[in-house]
Amino acid sequence: SSELTQGPAVSVALGQTVRITCQGDSLRRYYATWYQQKPGQAPLLVIYGRNNRPSGIPDRFSGSSSGDTASLTITGAQAEDEADYYCNSRDSSGTVVFGGGTKLTVL
Amino acid sequence: EVQLVESGGVVVQPGRSLRLSCAASGFTFDDYTMHWVRQPPGKGLEWVSLISWNGGSTFYADSVKGRFTISRDNSKNSLYLQMNSLRPEDTALYYCAKDFGEVGATTTSFDYWGQGTLVTVSS
Repeated sequence: SSELTQGPAVSVALGQTVRITCQGDSLRRYYATWYQQKPGQAPLLVIYGRNNRPSGIPDRFSGSSSGDTASLTITGAQAEDEADYYCNSRDSSGTVVFGGGTKLTVL
Repeated sequence: EVQLVESGGVVVQPGRSLRLSCAASGFTFDDYTMHWVRQPPGKGLEWVSLISWNGGSTFYADSVKGRFTISRDNSKNSLYLQMNSLRPEDTALYYCAKDFGEVGATTTSFDYWGQGTLVTVSS
């Protein structure tokens, strides 16, 4: 099955912009989906499809993709955005694969 | 309001079996693909299995293939995961999740998650 690679950690100053990336061969064919997970909580869907936000997700969250890399961008990061972020995608066998997660710290 | 409530997690010895359940409400259960996703303590998310709206298609992660079986009972709005030959590496919080896809579709976008049920495999 395919793999999705995420950097383990990234930090951003309050109000600044941060990009979290997810790399994998399957992303050349399929969109990535992004989830936010805060300690003790279930994951929350934040970006799906080309660049779509579910109802209630602030518009500072956006998604993009180029080649084998998908990105989640937070423009104007807030303290409440501090969390773990996971990407996932479909792989070639029809199953689902998650990235290892990126811990975002807002300074 | 959509709700997913998992149950069945316990401490179990290696090699034994366990059945997890997920009770769904607040949406038309039999319109949607459902998934199980697990998270070992302090680690990342791992997709486990999916089942199509009518149970006709199922898929499994390589790590559980041949040991786990996903099923659903649409008359009871319930999702299940039968876990056999359990191993210590199966220790995790198990989430059920609803697929975001339109009726009958399967995507990788999960718009609702339960709070999880903890399975601990230890002697």
